[in-house]
Amino acid sequence: GQNIDQPTEMTATEGAIVQINCTYQTSGFNGLFWYQQHAGEAPTFLSYNVLDGLEEKGRFSSFLSRSKGYSYLLLKELQMKDSASYLCAVTKGSGNTPLVFGKGTRLSVIA
Amino acid sequence: DAGITQSPRYKITETGRQVTLMCHQTWSHSYMFWYRQDLGHGLRLIYYSAAADITDKGEVPDGYVVSRSKTENFPLTLESATRSQTSVYFCASSEIGTSGGPQYFGPGTRLTVT
Repeated sequence: GQNIDQPTEMTATEGAIVQINCTYQTSGFNGLFWYQQHAGEAPTFLSYNVLDGLEEKGRFSSFLSRSKGYSYLLLKELQMKDSASYLCAVTKGSGNTPLVFGKGTRLSVIA
Repeated sequence: DAGITQSPRYKITETGRQVTLMCHQTWSHSYMFWYRQDLGHGLRLIYYSAAADITDKGEVPDGYVVSRSKTENFPLTLESATRSQTSVYFCASSEIGTSGGPQYFGPGTRLTVT
């Protein structure tokens, strides 16, 4: 079986830091993706973690712990435009093994 | 530089009708995917394709048909539309599958079945 859990909604203040968690239980694991999706738009790729540790990309960082089945996306210096849904997705194997998406976390950034 | 496009962007159809959603990508990516996105369910995979003439079922394939005669096109057909198929449909493509590369999504088709 497979299960990917994320909080449904989060609210944070402009300029602050927010951490969006994702836990997964899947039969097999290869890597974890984070996508951003603004309302009414398509998901866009943010990050991909295969190894344990933190990957930093500008204001966004993503962390993975394979042993704990846990990842988080860290957003720093929040801006109003960061208001969006953030989707965690797990790939279970190599080649054409499909991604499994979590239901997403809707982040609202307030002034 | 079109990338990945979908047509139509919006469609209203009646129960029982056949409808085809088009997806076209200009990157020559090997892999293409169809998802539906519904409130409370997130993105769910309908069908995917690793190359021309190779397709495979995803999580929710019932009521859908796909084909991939050319690398750049991956149409999705609802053979006899039902109200439960009202959804937003996203097509995506990937260069090297899901093991190491991201998927790039089209803008989506919002389908309403009345």
